[in-house]
Amino acid sequence: AQSVTQPDIHITVSEGASLELRCNYSYGATPYLFWYVQSPGQGLQLLLKYFSGDTLVQGIKGFEAEFKRSQSSFNLRKPSVHWSDAAEYFCAVGRSRGSQGNLIFGKGTKLSVKP
Amino acid sequence: EAGVVQSPRYKIIEKKQPVAFWCNPISGHNTLYWYRQNLGQGPELLIRYENEEAVDDSQLPKDRFSAERLKGVDSTLKIQPAELGDSAVYLCASTLGARAAKNIQYFGAGTRLSVL
Repeated sequence: AQSVTQPDIHITVSEGASLELRCNYSYGATPYLFWYVQSPGQGLQLLLKYFSGDTLVQGIKGFEAEFKRSQSSFNLRKPSVHWSDAAEYFCAVGRSRGSQGNLIFGKGTKLSVKP
Repeated sequence: EAGVVQSPRYKIIEKKQPVAFWCNPISGHNTLYWYRQNLGQGPELLIRYENEEAVDDSQLPKDRFSAERLKGVDSTLKIQPAELGDSAVYLCASTLGARAAKNIQYFGAGTRLSVL
């Protein structure tokens, strides 16, 4: 069965500092991978996705993520964090085989940004 | 283009009362999802519709939860009777196309339910 682990529940970084949020997945084949962001009181917004090809994917708001098959990871990065990036971030995995369109989400990482 | 619209945004009820949530997906999106997001957790799928057909309701607690998507557009999720443990955010999402996990899911802002 698919599963997603986000090891860090809460991360605090200073504004302007770099950021890396970790995501590990479990799936028997190459999964479809997503990062979503959720601001307080809002729904989830897609930051980026990986289906195949180049393992470094670029997303919106200056975010990028790298798929590492050997580590079953899909970590999210940003070189310089802005105060507006404070939110909760969710990694999700979808099945690349079969007809299911469902996503499995991790528990999320809450990002706080210090001025 | 309007996004996924959910109402109400907030609902406070006493236990054992009924409650209903409404979702209007993005125009033309034939797949609709209802998720429940408990505090400190990621969203968990309750039910998925393709057009008016519920194609995956394996995670829906059928003793008290029901859903419908008449005419394959708007959808309603109902809880009757509500229990304390149902307090959560209920999210609706929609995608263009069916079944493929490549289809991007677009989420509404959710309904935050508090059961007292």
